[in-house]
Amino acid sequence: DIQMTQSPSTLSASVGDRVTISCRASQNIGGWLAWYQQKPGKVPKLLIYRASSLKSGVPSRFSGSGSGTEFTLTITSLQPDDFATYYCQQYDSSSPWTFGQGTKVEIK
Amino acid sequence: QVHLVQSGPEVKKPGASVKVSCKVSGFTLIGLSIHWVRQAPGKGLEWMGGFEPEDGETVFAQKFQGRVTLTGDTSTDTAYMEVSSLRSEDTAMYYCATGDVAIDDWGQGTLVSVSS
Repeated sequence: DIQMTQSPSTLSASVGDRVTISCRASQNIGGWLAWYQQKPGKVPKLLIYRASSLKSGVPSRFSGSGSGTEFTLTITSLQPDDFATYYCQQYDSSSPWTFGQGTKVEIK
Repeated sequence: QVHLVQSGPEVKKPGASVKVSCKVSGFTLIGLSIHWVRQAPGKGLEWMGGFEPEDGETVFAQKFQGRVTLTGDTSTDTAYMEVSSLRSEDTAMYYCATGDVAIDDWGQGTLVSVSS
């Protein structure tokens, strides 16, 4: 199975900060990457699909980039509602899907 | 809008099996790809496998191959996930999910607790 490695595991930031989360795939997945936000006790929420496409209704401060094996989620100005755990996921149809281990964004 | 409703919580002993259901509404099961994701307490998301109701095709994460069965009943628009040989490490919230791109719709989750 393709391994997805996120960094950092935990990130401390303040409201208004620019935040970047990285995700690396163990092999080339093209652009078949999604980003999710999950808050405690809630189901994950899709933010980004196809590496850089913003899901309808998701604030424009969220953006995704990358292709192949290296991907990034950026939050340009962190808001109080953004403190959560973020997961990348590869969904290359030629192999089983996998999630990254998650990045917790906490208040500094 | 697809709506997924899962069966209720389960408590099982080690070695037993559990079968979780996922009822689809707002769409027909046969038009969807159903994925199963689990999350152990305080841990991350773990994709278990996917099921194509149209042809019955399944794909599994390597660690679940042989221990998880995914099926569906198109007459009732219900998908099923069965996990056998349960152990304490299988205690988790189990979700069914679907989407046009990646995963966009989730069931509410079914808590499966494995304890002697």
